[in-house]
Amino acid sequence: DAGVIQSPRHEVTEMGQEVTLRCKPISGHNSLFWYRQTMMRGLELLIYFNNNVPIDDSGMPEDRFSAKMPNASFSTLKIQPSEPRDSAVYFCASSFFGTGKYEQYFGPGTRLTVT
Amino acid sequence: GENVEQHPSTLSVQEGDSAVIKCTYSDSASNYFPWYKQELGKRPQLIIDIRSNVGEKKDQRIAVTLNKTAKHFSLHITETQPEDSAVYFCAASMDDYKLSFGAGTTVTVRA
Repeated sequence: DAGVIQSPRHEVTEMGQEVTLRCKPISGHNSLFWYRQTMMRGLELLIYFNNNVPIDDSGMPEDRFSAKMPNASFSTLKIQPSEPRDSAVYFCASSFFGTGKYEQYFGPGTRLTVT
Repeated sequence: GENVEQHPSTLSVQEGDSAVIKCTYSDSASNYFPWYKQELGKRPQLIIDIRSNVGEKKDQRIAVTLNKTAKHFSLHITETQPEDSAVYFCAASMDDYKLSFGAGTTVTVRA
C-alpha cells in the first residue's frame, strides 16, 4: 500500500492567492483528517470526515478555509484568500474505525509558505 | 474542549538510560490516549496507545501508564537508542476520532 498521498509536497504562494491541497487516503479507510502543524500552535485538527461526510469542522480557523471529500479516495483543503499566517505544514491522515482499530496514518504533509 | 499538557518540552538522555514524558488531560470523558513519534521532517507515526480501561501497556522498550483518577498518562522509553531521538506527542480523545495533541517533547539521545 502506498500510504496516504498528499500533493503538492511544497507550495509557495503570494498573499491573496487561492491554495488547494490534495489528499488520497489509504484504500479502505473510512475516516479522513486534516491537521495543521506550526511551531506556535503545535498539531491542530482542522476537520475530519467519516464515510465522506464532514463530522467536525470546529477546528477550521476561518471562512477562508474549506474542505471537501467528494469520494472515498480524494479530499481537498482550500484556502482562499491565503495569508502569511497560514504558513504551516498541513497533514492529511486516514484511518479505519472498526474492529477496535484507531490508528491514524499520516501523509507526508504539504509545507505551505505564503509570502 | 479537551486540553492536553505535556512535559517536559525537551529531554536529553544518555544512550541506554530511560526517558519519561508526562501528559495531563482536562476532560474526564477522554478514554483513548495515543502517542505519536515524529522524526525531523517526517510525518507523525503511532508508537503506542492505551484505552481508559487499561492501566498500563507495554511494547518492547516502550510503555504507557494511565492514571484516570489523576487524569495523567506517561510514556516510558527504556534502554534509549539514537534512533529514539524525535519529537513525541501525546494525545487524548473522547470519541476515538478527535485527537487533542500535547505540544510535543523533543527527545535527544546522546551517544
